[in-house]
Amino acid sequence: AQKVTQAQTEISVVEKEDVTLDCVYETRDTTYYLFWYKQPPSGELVFLIRRNSFDEQNEISGRYSWNFQKSTSSFNFTITASQVVDSAVYFCALSEANNAGNMLTFGGGTRLMVKP
Amino acid sequence: DSGVTQTPKHLITATGQRVTLRCSPRSGDLSVYWYQQSLDQGLQFLIHYYNGEERAKGNILERFSAQQFPDLHSELNLSSLELGDSALYFCASSAARTTGGNEAFFGQGTRLTVV
Repeated sequence: AQKVTQAQTEISVVEKEDVTLDCVYETRDTTYYLFWYKQPPSGELVFLIRRNSFDEQNEISGRYSWNFQKSTSSFNFTITASQVVDSAVYFCALSEANNAGNMLTFGGGTRLMVKP
Repeated sequence: DSGVTQTPKHLITATGQRVTLRCSPRSGDLSVYWYQQSLDQGLQFLIHYYNGEERAKGNILERFSAQQFPDLHSELNLSSLELGDSALYFCASSAARTTGGNEAFFGQGTRLTVV
């Protein structure tokens, strides 16, 4: 069975600090996909990134970067020079290719508060 | 804007009642997923439809049902509502039959409050 754990339930930083959100996953499949979503106070879920299990290259998009390590089953998300607008709940999610439903299994989320 | 439209945005109803939540997927997307977000259960998958056919069920109660119509919009029906059904219900769509093939884009959700 697939499982996603986000051990940090809440993180508070001061603007311009770097912050890393941890995500650890469990799956028996060799082919799977990992995602990060952002849920701002307005409530919608905003897609940030998708990564497949065969691509361990780290990715950078502006102030966002992701570190995928299969050896530790982790897919961590770093925000550099955080801004108040980054305040949101961030969800890591997993989808197994062999799961008939191929639905997303979400972690519990990490609430990030960026203070000015 | 994700392109996924959910109506209504807010719904308040009494216990025992029945409600219908509506979702219009992004143009061209054939897959529609329903998720429930509650404080105690987090974000949970309910059901998946692809091009009108049910593909998979998650932790969906028997009191809940869904369908996807020929124009690809989907409806989630919740009946005999209980206080514990109060939650944010999300619809997501993707182009592929499977989530892995493409990222799923989420609507803004329908916040259901059962009183």
